[in-house]
Amino acid sequence: EPEVTQTPSHQVTQMGQEVILRCVPISNHLYFYWYRQILGQKVEFLVSFYNNEISEKSEIFDDQFSVERPDGSNFTLKIRSTKLEDSAMYFCASSATAYLLSSYEQYFGPGTRLTVT
Amino acid sequence: GQSLEQPSEVTAVEGAIVQINCTYQTSGFYGLSWYQQHDGGAPTFLSYNALDGLEETGRFSSFLSRSDSYGYLLLQELQMKDSASYFCAVRDVLGSTLGRLYFGRGTQLTVWP
Repeated sequence: EPEVTQTPSHQVTQMGQEVILRCVPISNHLYFYWYRQILGQKVEFLVSFYNNEISEKSEIFDDQFSVERPDGSNFTLKIRSTKLEDSAMYFCASSATAYLLSSYEQYFGPGTRLTVT
Repeated sequence: GQSLEQPSEVTAVEGAIVQINCTYQTSGFYGLSWYQQHDGGAPTFLSYNALDGLEETGRFSSFLSRSDSYGYLLLQELQMKDSASYFCAVRDVLGSTLGRLYFGRGTQLTVWP
């Protein structure tokens, strides 16, 4: 069964450093998302991406964040200057369709645990 | 703004039936999803309701009443492996036609033998 993959599984970085989290969505999917989940809390939407551009971003997704689809398979999330509060699990997700009458099923990757020290 | 309310935890025994309720408030509601998450794992899609009524998928069913801003997930014939967190998530299309998911805080289901 096709699945979303993410690397690395765990990233430790120092405050102020840049990190890039990588995702390989399911190959025939067109819609891509990043979410984060602070330990013990709910999953929070960060950004959606379609047709090589951001479709929507949340209030969390400030200028420190950027996303890119550098080739036909990878989808990356970059945090330019990490803060302690960026420590969380970051999930990538993809979906095949997003039509309003579709099932809107999103497939999540296993996540990257980011620890900022 | 958006808010979703669901119970923080539910316990039940193997073979039982459990219902997890979710009430929501959102500006651009277009559907209600349910996801399962085992400890440290990825959220896994269970169901999506865009229209009122009951959707059944095996042991799991999901219900939506848009007029009441309410939905529930029904789990039947509970198994130990069903012990996990269950999140309701609203699809909100106010910001774009693609929409985003707003997740509730999750309900921790513990199934006892």
